[in-house]
Order: sequence, then C-alpha cells, then structure tokens
Amino acid sequence: EAGVAQSPRYKIIEKRQSVAFWCNPISGHATLYWYQQILGQGPKLLIQFQNNGVVDDSQLPKDRFSAERLKGVDSTLKIQPAKLEDSAVYLCASRPPHGTGELFFGEGSRLTVL
Amino acid sequence: DQQVKQNSPSLSVQEGRISILNCDYTNSMFDYFLWYKKYPAEGPTFLISISSIKDKNEDGRFTVFLNKSAKHLSLHIVPSQPGDSAVYFCAASERGAQKLVFGQGTRLTINP
Repeated sequence: EAGVAQSPRYKIIEKRQSVAFWCNPISGHATLYWYQQILGQGPKLLIQFQNNGVVDDSQLPKDRFSAERLKGVDSTLKIQPAKLEDSAVYLCASRPPHGTGELFFGEGSRLTVL
Repeated sequence: DQQVKQNSPSLSVQEGRISILNCDYTNSMFDYFLWYKKYPAEGPTFLISISSIKDKNEDGRFTVFLNKSAKHLSLHIVPSQPGDSAVYFCAASERGAQKLVFGQGTRLTINP
C-alpha cells in the first residue's frame, strides 16, 4: 500500500513570495490533514478535510494560508505572501474511514523563508 | 494553550536499559492517546496507542501507561536499542473528534 505522498520535499523562498505544497493521501482515506511543525515544537493542525469539505480550519491563518481538496482526493496548501515565521515542515496526513484514530503521515515539505 | 505537554525536551539512555518518556494533558475530554516516533527528514510514524478505558497497553518492547486521575501517560521502552534514537511525540484526541493534538516532543538518544 502506497503511503501519503507530498511534494516538494524542500522549498526555499524569500519573504513575501508564494509557495504551494501538494499532498496525495492513501487511497480510500477520506480524511486529510495539514499540520505545521516548527523546529522544536510538535505538529500543529492547520486544516482538516472530510472528502472535499472543511471540518476544521480554526488555526489556519486565513489572511495568508489557503487549502483546497477539490475532488476529495489530493490537496494543495498555499501560502501567499510568506513570512519568516512560516519556516517549518508542512506535514500532510490521512486517516482510514474505520481506523482506531491513528493518522498516517507523509514525509513532509520543509519550507525555508529568507 | 498547550493541552498536551512533554516537559523533557531530551533524554539520554544507555543501550539495554529502560527508556521512560512522559506526557501530561489538561483536557479531560481526551479519550484516546497515541505515541509517534519521528526520524530526521521523515514524517511521524505511529508507535502505540491507548484508549481511556484502559490503563496499560503493551506491544513488544513498548508499553504505554495511562493515569487518568493524574492526566498523565508514559511510554516505556525496554530494552532500549540504538534504533530507538528519535523524537517521540505524545498525541491525544477528543471523543468524537478526528484530529490529534500533539506535545512538543522528546528527543531520545540511546548510547551504546
């Protein structure tokens, strides 16, 4: 079974530029998450999708961050314009429909904002 | 508001000895707890979990203990092996919710 796929693995941009990250969850996983992990901290939930609908985006900085999951499969997270404090690893995760609560994570996309 | 706390940023243990990682939580609505392991440049991988109806769950060298009255859980690894060197995250979810709240992580180093 293929795992959660994310790209790009690494991205370096200057502040005020834009960036987009892509995630393809495990096949059949209806729930998809984007987490932000800043160095030295634990992952923090940015947004949760159930199929193509948003379940929770309460911690998403909506003035600069946006995310979509148009067809209920893969998802894109965009940051525009980026700030220095957005430097982090962006982790995508998915959850099986009848699982025990475990999330399956991708390898992450590391963003450096200069 | 840090609902899940791991107060030890790092822990160093000798190979073959027991590693004990601790986690505290504040939200009494949490009813499912998990431990994830993370190697550098990789995503977190699930290690072991426990439901609030239990106080212990064991899987090979890994055991998780839950003390609901103290809102505390711990992960025991015995015997510790060099491959256990990683960052360990404690996570919790609330009844009916499908999202995980993570602690800050503890970096475990196993010394030969």
